Amino acid sequence: EVVMTQSPATLPVSPGERATLSCRASQSVSTNLAWYQQKPGQPPRLLIYGASTRAANTPGRFSGSGSGTEFTLTISSLQSEDFAIYYCQQYNKWPPYTFGQGTKLEMK
Amino acid sequence: EVQLVDSGGDLVQPGGSLRLSCAASGFIFRSYWMSWVRQVPGKGPEWVANINQDGSERHYLDSVAGRFTISRDNADNSMFLQMNSLRVEDTAVYYCARGGPWGTYPTVHWGQGTVVTVSS
Repeated sequence: EVVMTQSPATLPVSPGERATLSCRASQSVSTNLAWYQQKPGQPPRLLIYGASTRAANTPGRFSGSGSGTEFTLTISSLQSEDFAIYYCQQYNKWPPYTFGQGTKLEMK
Repeated sequence: EVQLVDSGGDLVQPGGSLRLSCAASGFIFRSYWMSWVRQVPGKGPEWVANINQDGSERHYLDSVAGRFTISRDNADNSMFLQMNSLRVEDTAVYYCARGGPWGTYPTVHWGQGTVVTVSS
């Protein structure tokens, strides 16, 4: 099973600041890596797939990078609606598809 | 617009059974892999099972294999999860989810979730 590790667990940031979230895979997942955003009481929403391709309706301030075992999600200028929990998921070596434990963006 | 409406969650005793349903609309259901994903509040999502377009290929999380069965009815645009021998650790929000035209694909769309509570 591919273990996904996200850091940090919590990231305090201010609106307008840049946020950088990390995700590490225990073995190479190529670029078969997705990022999801989840707000309280809602299901996860796909933001990025293929490590760097924005999903439909994902704002341009979200960008993804990386390949192999190291990945990054960057939010260039945080808006109030971006405060949420972010999960990475590998879909390269399955079953099972595996998710990270999440990074919570909180207001500084 | 893609819609996934999951239902069937309930409170059940350990060892009991439950059948979850997912009604899909807004896309060609028979063309996509479908999955069930669960999430314990405060934890990351956990993939449970998936099924290919015609039901000939099914995969399960090790901890549910032999207890859960995923199925689909393409004529009715529906997917199901039969859960037997339920355990306390199966307690979670269960989401119906749509993948892509092949298995190596992200989880593109999610239902709103249905709550399964296993407790005596």
